[in-house]
Amino acid sequence: DQQVKQNSPSLSVQEGRISILNCDYTNSMFDYFLWYKKYPAEGPTFLISISSIKDKNEDGRFTVFLNKSAKHLSLHIVPSQPGDSAVYFCAANAGGTSYGKLTFGQGTILTVHP
Amino acid sequence: NAGVMQNPRHLVRRRGQEARLRCSPMKGHSHVYWYRQLPEEGLKFMVYLQKENIIDESGMPKERFSAEFPKEGPSILRIQQVVRGDSAAYFCASSPLIAGATYEQYFGPGTRLTVT
Repeated sequence: DQQVKQNSPSLSVQEGRISILNCDYTNSMFDYFLWYKKYPAEGPTFLISISSIKDKNEDGRFTVFLNKSAKHLSLHIVPSQPGDSAVYFCAANAGGTSYGKLTFGQGTILTVHP
Repeated sequence: NAGVMQNPRHLVRRRGQEARLRCSPMKGHSHVYWYRQLPEEGLKFMVYLQKENIIDESGMPKERFSAEFPKEGPSILRIQQVVRGDSAAYFCASSPLIAGATYEQYFGPGTRLTVT
């Protein structure tokens, strides 16, 4: 039962352009969403998060958009840089008794070409 | 300020042996989480602990797996009688005492377990 889905296994973008990574979820109890970046042989690094009471959160080059009615979120990276090349995971939390549990998507491999 | 530390980084065990994975949370963090990543998959939640308490173990396999976070020392994930299917990357994460409704968890570099 895949409650968080990242349907694009990979994305290739030119340096300087926008990268858009997508994530869909099925559990309506999710109320907090996070994006992590992961390099090979390292642990995930927290990037940005958004609460379900918001529809947008911005931090520098990274913006996360949340569409609750569509159960969809996206991460925009502008401008993309070669150092952004990594695997990106979206994750969700349902709060309450599931407070400590993050549910992750399968990940999207982003490659930014110079 | 040191991040989450995990050791060993790589662990090789033969089938039937025991594996012990250690995690020291970030300074000031009292919540610890363990996740497992199988090849080509996302991270799967295993267990959430606070000092001397298991809060949520809904992702732990029913047999052979156990976790603890003692009053002193690191959190330990223990896998008894390992099988080849246990080969994976095991990540530990930590977070501070709850302060507002935020859920960010900070991950260690992982332990890569290989069962031969």
